[in-house]
Amino acid sequence: DGGITQSPKYLFRKEGQNVTLSCEQNLNHDAMYWYRQDPGQGLRLIYYSQIVNDFQKGDIAEGYSVSREKKESFPLTVTSAQKNPTAFYLCASSIGEVNTEAFFGQGTRLTVV
Amino acid sequence: QKEVEQDPGPLSVPEGAIVSLNCTYSNSAFQYFMWYRQYSRKGPELLMYTYSSGNKEDGRFTAQVDKSSKYISLFIRDSQPSDSATYLCATLYSSASKIIFGSGTRLSIRP
Repeated sequence: DGGITQSPKYLFRKEGQNVTLSCEQNLNHDAMYWYRQDPGQGLRLIYYSQIVNDFQKGDIAEGYSVSREKKESFPLTVTSAQKNPTAFYLCASSIGEVNTEAFFGQGTRLTVV
Repeated sequence: QKEVEQDPGPLSVPEGAIVSLNCTYSNSAFQYFMWYRQYSRKGPELLMYTYSSGNKEDGRFTAQVDKSSKYISLFIRDSQPSDSATYLCATLYSSASKIIFGSGTRLSIRP
């Protein structure tokens, strides 16, 4: 079955550590996105990529980094520079530049301990 | 001012009631409008999308866009307990890939 897979579902990080969240899709979608969701704030865009080897910053990119070496994969690294990383992270993909449907993964809940 | 404003709720209604969820947006350049449903601890799933003004119906759900007042609505008829979720409105420009989400409205349907 086609879809988006995020892993792990739960992740704990010590302060000062970098962690990488995985996002893989087998939908043959060109565009992929990372969102952060905090209570009462909806989804905020961290980074997005419309094509392999290219990505753009979203609204809250500071403290995060991404790569897009393969069409299917868009990993997100939460660096130690991110001051408040505890949140629910959602990866999504869509067909292309003008997308009317973004498919979401099931999310990764990151907690800093 | 946020580009998309949505009342966070929570909204609680009895089973069988008609539910009205609403958002307002600020930029008249937005062309596509979407509603996503998100169950607790899950990723959002697309319910409906519309292009420009008008209504779109899908079963018990109706999406409505009024571009003159920059107002979008989702109506749920014959609401069921399984409709209990957070509903997110979203919009995007016609030629960009950045989706703007509202903050979500938490809906609870009481049996």
